[in-house]
Amino acid sequence: GAGVSQSPSNKVTEKGKDVELRCDPISGHTALYWYRQSLGQGLEFLIYFQGNSAPDKSGLPSDRFSAERTGGSVSTLTIQRTQQEDSAVYLCASSLPDWPGDEQFFGPGTRLTVL
Amino acid sequence: QKEVEQNSGPLSVPEGAIASLNCTYSDRGSQSFFWYRQYSGKSPELIMSIYSNGDKEDGRFTAQLNKASQYVSLLIRDSQPSDSATYLCAVANYGQNFVFGPGTRLSVLP
Repeated sequence: GAGVSQSPSNKVTEKGKDVELRCDPISGHTALYWYRQSLGQGLEFLIYFQGNSAPDKSGLPSDRFSAERTGGSVSTLTIQRTQQEDSAVYLCASSLPDWPGDEQFFGPGTRLTVL
Repeated sequence: QKEVEQNSGPLSVPEGAIASLNCTYSDRGSQSFFWYRQYSGKSPELIMSIYSNGDKEDGRFTAQLNKASQYVSLLIRDSQPSDSATYLCAVANYGQNFVFGPGTRLSVLP
């Protein structure tokens, strides 16, 4: 079946502009995660949605970052007033609410470049 | 603060040797343990999941879990140059967020 998809694959923007990144999880996966990965660095957790529960926003680096998940499926990560330090690859992952079976599957990522 | 630790490497092994990757975690309540492989410029891909103490084998890969020691490892037998990548350890409690380690960079030398 289809995996996690993300769009756009690349985004170049100017400092101060807003950007929206989209994630389509695997069908039936109720958990959805956003991560950020700067060049040569590890995964930085941003936000986690699980079903209808309140999202875990503890990883969002500033109030310029927000995310929503509509209808329990597609998610959008929004970065307002982008800064050069926001340049990174933004990864989305999804998983089932099962145990065992809660493996995360990653999308291909969106490479964001802020000029 | 839940933590997952890994040696950053690089870990260099000759082709055909066994590569041993190690991971320790701080949360004793952790229930799910994963190894991901990430090639440069690509997203992480799942290699193994393990949920109970002991060994789990899948082809050339063996995951080992010791909950008492809060330790999980990945062995790669007959290492190939194509195994050269960064290996990420991840730990989770059911219904809670994953915690990823910083990754170990593996280099398999021809």
